Amino acid sequence: GENVEQHPSTLSVQEGDSAVIKCTYSDSASNYFPWYKQELGKRPQLIIDIRSNVGEKKDQRIAVTLNKTAKHFSLHITETQPEDSAVYFCAASSNTGKLIFGQGTTLQVKP
Amino acid sequence: DAGITQSPRHKVTETGTPVTLRCHQTENHRYMYWYRQDPGHGLRLIHYSYGVKDTDKGEVSDGYSVSRSKTEDFLLTLESATSSQTSVYFCAISVVAGGTDTQYFGPGTRLTVL
Repeated sequence: GENVEQHPSTLSVQEGDSAVIKCTYSDSASNYFPWYKQELGKRPQLIIDIRSNVGEKKDQRIAVTLNKTAKHFSLHITETQPEDSAVYFCAASSNTGKLIFGQGTTLQVKP
Repeated sequence: DAGITQSPRHKVTETGTPVTLRCHQTENHRYMYWYRQDPGHGLRLIHYSYGVKDTDKGEVSDGYSVSRSKTEDFLLTLESATSSQTSVYFCAISVVAGGTDTQYFGPGTRLTVL
């Protein structure tokens, strides 16, 4: 079945720096790749997603890139702020709609 | 929050007892999902439903059953709870809009099995 690997498991950056989180997936039929942010004690919240017919998508300070040939996708956060501190999850799904999640990355942004 | 509620929000129970968690949505979405979240494992799909009385297994379905007798309610049952089922359980729905299909999560239920 589908497997999603996410790296790094923890990431610490200084405020204002960029952060990059990478995921790889195994199922070549996967065509939808969302990213979720989860603050402590809260539910996962969708922050951005990308579909396989595009290579990059941006929304203000966050962007996602997709390389279907290599089967990997990445989340980029620029100009990080303390409120970006959270756990981030990538996920992948095919036309079944079932999401397979990565293990999560704990991002700490130091003021 | 896509109109999703979960109950109870917290529960402590003993090994061997049955437990039922409820997910309720107010917007008549067809697809509903149950996930569990454990440290180091992310979120793992337990069961999902694609309509009333239509359910299927996810990747970690052993020890769990589900039922969906109404569009708005999706129930997750642990027939005989074990300590390995201590976890945070999230319900999710799929919202289809503009040709895209996006999952939104409920607030979660923290279950402790002693």
